[in-house]
Amino acid sequence: EVQLVESGGGLVQPGRSLRLSCAASGFTFDDYAMHWVRQAPGKGLEWVSGISWNSGSIGYADSVKGRFTISRDNAKNSLYLQMNSLRAEDTALYYCAKGSTPLRGYDSLFDYWGQGTLVTVSS
Amino acid sequence: QLVLTQSPSASASLGASVKLTCTLSSGHSSYAIAWHQQQPEKGPRYLMKLNSDGSHSKGDGIPDRFSGSSSGAERYLTISSLQSEDEADYYCQTWGTGGWVFGGGTKLTVL
Repeated sequence: EVQLVESGGGLVQPGRSLRLSCAASGFTFDDYAMHWVRQAPGKGLEWVSGISWNSGSIGYADSVKGRFTISRDNAKNSLYLQMNSLRAEDTALYYCAKGSTPLRGYDSLFDYWGQGTLVTVSS
Repeated sequence: QLVLTQSPSASASLGASVKLTCTLSSGHSSYAIAWHQQQPEKGPRYLMKLNSDGSHSKGDGIPDRFSGSSSGAERYLTISSLQSEDEADYYCQTWGTGGWVFGGGTKLTVL
């Protein structure tokens, strides 16, 4: 059974940093692209960032480019999101999601999602 | 610019059928999309990939009550024999230039 478990969320002041993690199990992690998607309170889904199976291609939404960094550790079956210079508008539930096609870039659609971790940016 | 447009809300009675629509912006009518379901207080769940010719491939464990179809720039999700657990938000998604795009979502109420 595929499982994606996010952690690392919390309350953080504007301008500070936070690192999210996603622990994956139930599939061959290093074969698949992975993504971060967020959902502000009461709003829809927004893609944040994606990373290919081998970290060879990475993409970001314009809203986070230059502030957020995605990475993965295939030996630990883990995905990360380093978030710097946080703003109030980054407040959201952050989900990790799995790409559906093995050995593809982050353009493969998502077939599994985690339950999310909440990030609140406020003074 | 690639935009996916969804009606904010829809409703249908228990046991009935409902058809949700996702419309691709001009110039993008050949794009495939994905449908995802988000039940209250849960993470999203992948339903299916839907191609421009109406062919679709569903995710693991998705019941036969869920089906997809296409016409021009419109992509449809049809849910038949509606059950209470189908009350959820439904999002369409597609690949744009350099990133993923989501529709605004449709909140389905089962009466």
